[in-house]
Amino acid sequence: DAGVIQSPRHEVTEMGQEVTLRCKLISGHNSLFWYRQTMMRGLELLIYFNNNVPIDDSGMPEDRFSAKMPNASFSTLKIQPSEPRDSAVYFCASTEGSIGYTFGSGTRLTVV
Amino acid sequence: LAKTTQPISMDSYEGQEVNITCSHNNIATNDYITWYQQFPSQGPRFIIQGYKTKVTNEVASLFIPADRKSSTLSLPRVSLSDTAVYYCLVGDGNTGTASKLTFGTGTRLQVTL
Repeated sequence: DAGVIQSPRHEVTEMGQEVTLRCKLISGHNSLFWYRQTMMRGLELLIYFNNNVPIDDSGMPEDRFSAKMPNASFSTLKIQPSEPRDSAVYFCASTEGSIGYTFGSGTRLTVV
Repeated sequence: LAKTTQPISMDSYEGQEVNITCSHNNIATNDYITWYQQFPSQGPRFIIQGYKTKVTNEVASLFIPADRKSSTLSLPRVSLSDTAVYYCLVGDGNTGTASKLTFGTGTRLQVTL
């Protein structure tokens, strides 16, 4: 298995632009988590899904952030409009139900 | 969610055994203890998970006392490549669908020659 696959690896965009981050889960995993990591705030859970259904989005910073799971193996995290304070590394992780998550390699987002 | 407390940083020489202790005083009956390792520019990697007593795998050992209010991750004979941040977390391990894990600040382990 190729593991959890995130794209792009790096994204540089201008303030105000829409950004879409993508995540492909491991086959057979039914839970998906989006985290954000910065030096100041560490790893923050943004949202998680079980069986394609959003369970807890209390970590989503504001309405500019949205996440979807159009099918069981794929998820997107969208930021519209983006702001410089959104600059961070965004990770997705999946699991089949245990607390042993598998993380992707992350997307490093820079908003200038 | 049970809160965890662990040292911010630790230093070790190569070849030594490293023990990182984590406190989780409010751990619930269904909670399992899990540890992750994160290298720079990579996502966290699951190391080990346990409920009570001792668990050992090819990477580490996890010691959990009877009251489960703390746990100790033991890394035998560390090498320079074990330099990383280690996170201790607790979460419900009994459900068929996952519950969320909240990462703390972790323990930054620095291994030197």
